[in-house]
Amino acid sequence: YELTQPPSVSVSPGQTARITCSGDALPKQYSYWYQQKAGQAPVLVIYKDNERPSGIPERFSGSSSGTTVTLTITGVHAEDEADYYCQSADSSKTYPVFGGGTKVNVL
Amino acid sequence: EVQLVETGGGLIQPGGSLRLSCAVLGIGVSNNYMGWVRQAPGKGLEWVSDIQPGGTTHYADSVKGRFTISRDGPKNTLHLQMNSLRAEDTAVYYCTSNLLFSNSWIDVVWGPGTLVSVSS
Repeated sequence: YELTQPPSVSVSPGQTARITCSGDALPKQYSYWYQQKAGQAPVLVIYKDNERPSGIPERFSGSSSGTTVTLTITGVHAEDEADYYCQSADSSKTYPVFGGGTKVNVL
Repeated sequence: EVQLVETGGGLIQPGGSLRLSCAVLGIGVSNNYMGWVRQAPGKGLEWVSDIQPGGTTHYADSVKGRFTISRDGPKNTLHLQMNSLRAEDTAVYYCTSNLLFSNSWIDVVWGPGTLVSVSS
């Protein structure tokens, strides 16, 4: 089972970045989004499709539609430049599955 | 606050064995969904193994038969025994809690990671 993300997204500061993640089981399983900066562990930025953990800026939001989930960063800051990974579960909720990751480049 | 701290990484020759440990603070290792995720240099995240509160374990096909996940309840520690190591097992290994089955985002935690390098 696979989750598909675009390899990279480029955006100017203040603009909106949208990162998609597609998978057949997404209508039945929650999605999660992680931000990972170089040399650091992943940080949870979106929980269960659209919840934002405490401490995560409001510019980060998540949405879901059918077999695609989307992480939106509204008003991108320079410090948002990082790799972003979606995570969900296989259809039987047996194991976690990760997308290939999307590099967000802030121009 | 939940904290996970991995130890045991290092340089090991192909065919060798290594045991990773994860000290778990703030939650019980035996009543939470615990696991390991790895990241090869320059690559994405790859789920490796997990253990559910009831004791059921799962493994990625790439490590099945070579890796064993276990937990020590009294010491609140998670382990990953890695045997017959290969060059392709080279990665940072992260200890994780509740990537699935979480009740709150507070319980979804990653350790800082420990590097395993398999090379002659």
